[in-house]
Amino acid sequence: QQPVQSPQAVILREGEDAVINCSSSKALYSVHWYRQKHGEAPVFLMILLKGGEQKGHDKISASFNEKKQQSSLYLTASQLSYSGTYFCGTDKSGNTPLVFGKGTRLSVIA
Amino acid sequence: NAGVTQTPKFQVLKTGQSMTLQCAQDMNHNSMYWYRQDPGMGLRLIYYSASEGTTDKGEVPNGYNVSRLNKREFSLRLESAAPSQTSVYFCASRSLQSYSNQPQHFGDGTRLSIL
Repeated sequence: QQPVQSPQAVILREGEDAVINCSSSKALYSVHWYRQKHGEAPVFLMILLKGGEQKGHDKISASFNEKKQQSSLYLTASQLSYSGTYFCGTDKSGNTPLVFGKGTRLSVIA
Repeated sequence: NAGVTQTPKFQVLKTGQSMTLQCAQDMNHNSMYWYRQDPGMGLRLIYYSASEGTTDKGEVPNGYNVSRLNKREFSLRLESAAPSQTSVYFCASRSLQSYSNQPQHFGDGTRLSIL
C-alpha cells in the first residue's frame, strides 16, 4: 500500500526550513528518501532503519518512528538547490521492492 | 561509472505497436525493478526481479511483460501499446543483503508516448 506524503507541495524562501512527512498503514522495516529534479532520475538521499534512528545529510536530516510508522524529512536553511520533488519509499521486510509515495514538490525561491 | 543504463531515452509509438525497453546495470546488484511515473502518481512498480531467474508482478503489471536475461539485464516489453501506457519508465537496481539495507539506484528513464 502506497505511503502517504504531506504536504503535497510547499514553497520556501531561501534560508527557511521545511518538514516533509511520510506515513504508512503497515509496519515498516525501513524508509528511503529520494529527491528528483525535473526531467531527471530520483537520487538517493538516505535510509532510515527501524529503531527510531535519525540521520543527516548536509542540512537535510530525517527521523523514523516505527511505532507510528512515520518518517519525517527535515530541510534546514533551504537552498535553491533543494528544489525538486521528494519521495519516500517504504520497505516492509528488508528484501521487498520499495513502495513510493506520490511525492512532495518543494520549490525554493530567492 | 555507468550505474543503471536505459535505452532508448525517448520513443513515440502508435497504438498497437510493440516495443521492448532495455535496462542494464554494472553494479552486480541481484535485484532489478521497473517503475512507471505519471504526473501526481509517484513511482508505481510494474514488475521486479528479486534475483536472476525470478520475476514477479508489482502494482500495475497489466499490459507488460519482463525478462531477466542475466544478472545485468532486465527488459520490459509492451506487446500492444495503448495510450494509457504513455509515461516515463524508470529501471532501478538494488543489492539485497542480509542485515543490510541498500538504496535503489535509478536509470535516467525512458520517455514513452503512445499516439
